[in-house]
Amino acid sequence: AQKITQTQPGMFVQEKEAVTLDCTYDTSDPSYGLFWYKQPSSGEMIFLIYQGSYDQQNATEGRYSLNFQKARKSANLVISASQLGDSAMYFCALGGGATNKLIFGTGTLLAVQP
Amino acid sequence: DAGVTQSPTHLIKTRGQQVTLRCSPISGHKSVSWYQQVLGQGPQFIFQYYEKEERGRGNFPDRFSARQFPNYSSELNVNALLLGDSALYLCASSPGRGFQETQYFGPGTRLLVL
Repeated sequence: AQKITQTQPGMFVQEKEAVTLDCTYDTSDPSYGLFWYKQPSSGEMIFLIYQGSYDQQNATEGRYSLNFQKARKSANLVISASQLGDSAMYFCALGGGATNKLIFGTGTLLAVQP
Repeated sequence: DAGVTQSPTHLIKTRGQQVTLRCSPISGHKSVSWYQQVLGQGPQFIFQYYEKEERGRGNFPDRFSARQFPNYSSELNVNALLLGDSALYLCASSPGRGFQETQYFGPGTRLLVL
């Protein structure tokens, strides 16, 4: 069965500092993908970054990078130089198999303090 | 280009009623998926439609149904509403149906069942 675990219900970070949001996964699919989404209080899910299971390098998108450790089944999101606008809920999601069904974790609420 | 749009934005229904939610994908996207997000949880997959055919279904009762039209827009129908159906319903679109396809979400429809 596919499963995503996010063990940090909430985190605080000072503005301009880096923060790591944890995500571990479990899947029996030989090929799969890991996604991170940001959900502000408005509710819309905003795509941040994607990592494929066979990608040789860790994904990066601007201030976002994904620390992918396949053997440990972890896909942590690193946000560098945090901004006040980064305050939101962050979800890790797993995709695999014949459809693009996503399995989401329970999320981490990030608060950026000035 | 316009993003994923959903209507209505908010809806209040009473138990036993029926509801129809609508979604228009990003232009050129052929896959539409529906998710239910109960307060405090991550989104749960309901359906995926690709090229007007159902390609995936989550663990939801038969009261939930959906369809996709020739222009790739989609409707989600929920019959015999229960209090537990109160949630944010998210629609997501992607160009194709594979797991590696990034899904882009709409703003959601907030359904309250009284």
